[in-house]
Amino acid sequence: QQQVKQSPQSLIVQKGGISIINCAYENTAFDYFPWYQQFPGKGPALLIAIRPDVSEKKEGRFTISFNKSAKQFSLHIMDSQPGDSATYFCAASSFGGNTGKLIFGQGTTLQVKP
Amino acid sequence: EAGVAQSPRYKIIEKRQSVAFWCNPISGHATLYWYQQILGQGPKLLIQFQNNGVVDDSQLPKDRFSAERLKGVDSTLKIQPAKLEDSAVYLCASSLGGRSLFGPGTRLTVL
Repeated sequence: QQQVKQSPQSLIVQKGGISIINCAYENTAFDYFPWYQQFPGKGPALLIAIRPDVSEKKEGRFTISFNKSAKQFSLHIMDSQPGDSATYFCAASSFGGNTGKLIFGQGTTLQVKP
Repeated sequence: EAGVAQSPRYKIIEKRQSVAFWCNPISGHATLYWYQQILGQGPKLLIQFQNNGVVDDSQLPKDRFSAERLKGVDSTLKIQPAKLEDSAVYLCASSLGGRSLFGPGTRLTVL
């Protein structure tokens, strides 16, 4: 019940294309859903996050779509660039439980071809 | 603002040896986390501190791992004795208002 399942494991997109990464969760107590971007040798960097009271959040080229009834959320990267090539992790946490600890998905390795 | 600092960045040890990692969180962040990231996987929480108290250590292998956060600022994570399966990146994160920010991690290789 604490799992967050992420797909696909890897993704190759042409420059200018749309990258889509999906995540699903089971624990309905989760109320915070961030996405992290990680480059080799670096720690995960917070990219964008959403709470379940909204269905979509957009920041620049990055959009989170959230479907509370399906318990799914996804990251869309518009106009993908070679510099976006990295590993992306979705995560979830329960602030209602007052812990803030993150449960991470398995990660998606994105390669954007020039 | 300065980020989360960790040291060392890399460590190679033999199995059964001990090792310690250090983390300095972002100033003012009361919550500090240690995560373990095995190659090809997402980070997994080991322990969470709120100021200098432990909030959650349910995933910490307490027979070999220990952590402390004296004075509610810096933290150290120790492994003694290390096993081959402890090879991973150890990430420290701190948070304020729910946004967890990560340090660069310490890559541990156990031979």
